[in-house]
Amino acid sequence: GNSVTQMEGPVTLSEEAFLTINCTYTATGYPSLFWYVQYPGEGLQLLLKATKADDKGSNKGFEATYRKETTSFHLEKGSVQVSDSAVYFCALSDKGSNYKLTFGKGTLLTVNP
Amino acid sequence: DGGITQSPKYLFRKEGQNVTLSCEQNLNHDAMYWYRQDPGQGLRLIYYSQIVNDFQKGDIAEGYSVSREKKESFPLTVTSAQKNPTAFYLCATHRDRSYNEQFFGPGTRLTVL
Repeated sequence: GNSVTQMEGPVTLSEEAFLTINCTYTATGYPSLFWYVQYPGEGLQLLLKATKADDKGSNKGFEATYRKETTSFHLEKGSVQVSDSAVYFCALSDKGSNYKLTFGKGTLLTVNP
Repeated sequence: DGGITQSPKYLFRKEGQNVTLSCEQNLNHDAMYWYRQDPGQGLRLIYYSQIVNDFQKGDIAEGYSVSREKKESFPLTVTSAQKNPTAFYLCATHRDRSYNEQFFGPGTRLTVL
């Protein structure tokens, strides 16, 4: 079956630091990959996505590249802000699982001023 | 204003009581999902429905029930058979059977007293 493994947190950074949150996956088919963000007390919001190998998703300064050879989709941002403090989830979906989402366990990011 | 509404935001229940969580959407999406979120465990799928009057069990359906009588609505009942119901519950929608992302509601926090 499908699975997603992401970097365990919590991750604590200073403002303007570089961020990487690692995500690797196992899938039987050719999945689409997603990063979702959850701010305290809220639902999840889509941050970015990629639907095929070598695609780069980007949004709000965050980027992630779909690497089929390493089955990875690492999230990066060059300069984090306090407002980026949230929980980040890596997820995948594919036709074999009837397009249901499989999530990683989430990574809590705290950015200090 | 299009979106997903979950109510109530906070819900308290005594042990042994059934309780129903509401999820309404006006996005005209076919598929709807219920997830449970516990600290450090990511999101786990409870039930999903891809069409009116049809639904399937997810990974942790025991102690829960759903109905899908209307496209816009997908209520979740937490029964007294659910041994550990205290959690954050998220409803999501999916436009169709494709790689498009899921959209999430704001969530309901259920606490058993």
